[in-house]
Amino acid sequence: KAGVTQTPRYLIKTRGQQVTLSCSPISGHRSVSWYQQTPGQGLQFLFEYFSETQRNKGNFPGRFSGRQFSNSRSEMNVSTLELGDSALYLCASSGGTPGNTIYFGEGSWLTVV
Amino acid sequence: GNSVTQMEGPVTLSEEAFLTINCTYTATGYPSLFWYVQYPGEGLQLLLKATKADDKGSNKGFEATYRKETTSFHLEKGSVQVSDSAVYFCALSEMGTTGNQFYFGTGTSLTVIP
Repeated sequence: KAGVTQTPRYLIKTRGQQVTLSCSPISGHRSVSWYQQTPGQGLQFLFEYFSETQRNKGNFPGRFSGRQFSNSRSEMNVSTLELGDSALYLCASSGGTPGNTIYFGEGSWLTVV
Repeated sequence: GNSVTQMEGPVTLSEEAFLTINCTYTATGYPSLFWYVQYPGEGLQLLLKATKADDKGSNKGFEATYRKETTSFHLEKGSVQVSDSAVYFCALSEMGTTGNQFYFGTGTSLTVIP
């Protein structure tokens, strides 16, 4: 069974640009959540999607957005990039029931210069 | 609200030493508790989990017991190996809520030296 796949793995963007990251969940999983990982802040929850609907949202500015498609694949977008957005962005999938284990992808490393 | 507090690192141990990483939590409801491990350059992998009080999760020689009375979920291993060097995250997910949001501790870096 294939795991969670994230693309791209590495990218470098310039301040002010926007970026889109993609996540394909484990087959059959309907919940996809996104986390930002930085050395200073640890793992911070961005949002969770379930059946194409955003179900939970963390405390991030509106520049961070996401969506989920009918095949459960998800994208997250960050607009007007800032240096502080440099981070590892992790996607995780699960069956969606509260308390279910979430399974992570390897992440997308974003560097903003 | 929900939160997880875990032992500050980094932790350095000699091979075959005993490992304990402390984790305590605050939850408004009935959480499931998890330990995840992250190897360099990779995402997080589930190490073990426990879904109710007094449950013991175990995997690859690691163990953790869900202690409701002390709101703790300490990770232990009797004899660590060099290959256990990684960052360990304690986490909770609360049952009975909409959504499956996880709350993570700050992570504890473990280095095992031969």
